[in-house]
Amino acid sequence: KAGVTQTPRYLIKTRGQQVTLSCSPISGHRSVSWYQQTPGQGLQFLFEYFSETQRNKGNFPGRFSGRQFSNSRSEMNVSTLELGDSALYLCASSLEALVQGADTQYFGPGTRLTVL
Amino acid sequence: AQSVAQPEDQVNVAEGNPLTVKCTYSVSGNPYLFWYVQYPNRGLQFLLKYITGDNLVKGSYGFEAEFNKSQTSFHLKKPSALVSDSALYFCAVRDEGSAGSARQLTFGSGTQLTVLP
Repeated sequence: KAGVTQTPRYLIKTRGQQVTLSCSPISGHRSVSWYQQTPGQGLQFLFEYFSETQRNKGNFPGRFSGRQFSNSRSEMNVSTLELGDSALYLCASSLEALVQGADTQYFGPGTRLTVL
Repeated sequence: AQSVAQPEDQVNVAEGNPLTVKCTYSVSGNPYLFWYVQYPNRGLQFLLKYITGDNLVKGSYGFEAEFNKSQTSFHLKKPSALVSDSALYFCAVRDEGSAGSARQLTFGSGTQLTVLP
């Protein structure tokens, strides 16, 4: 099976702009989670989508949003970009929702976002 | 709230020697524990997980981890390190007893493993 794919792999934006990142989960996986990875804060959970519904949300401002489509593909949007949003954004998929049990999350290669 | 600690930012080991990367956790219920590895400019790669049962879990690439409930630890081990094992290793926990937003995966800060030839 193909793994989790994320596009684009690299993005450069300026402050105030918005950005949309895309994630395609492993075939058959219905849960998609997003994480932000920075040198200072490490890996932080953004949100989880399952069956087109947001099931979990981390402690991030409302500028960070997402959605999931009927084919389980997910997008993440960040509006009004700030310098501190520069990070590696990782998408992970699992068979079932996180609340269901101990499913393993499989990660994509990430999108490296640089905000100038 | 659940948390994970990786007390060592950096671990150096000679090729062929055994390696250990330490992880301790805190949860209110029973833990689901995971190890992931990250190579430069790559995403996280799953190594192994503990859910229940045998305290010694075997995973990919010869790695194994030992769950110790009394010490709330889940250390990653490998009997003989390879230079290609050099990477960033993350321990993660999910609380089996939590609900809603608490069921997210919480990661440790990561340990950079360097295997010296």
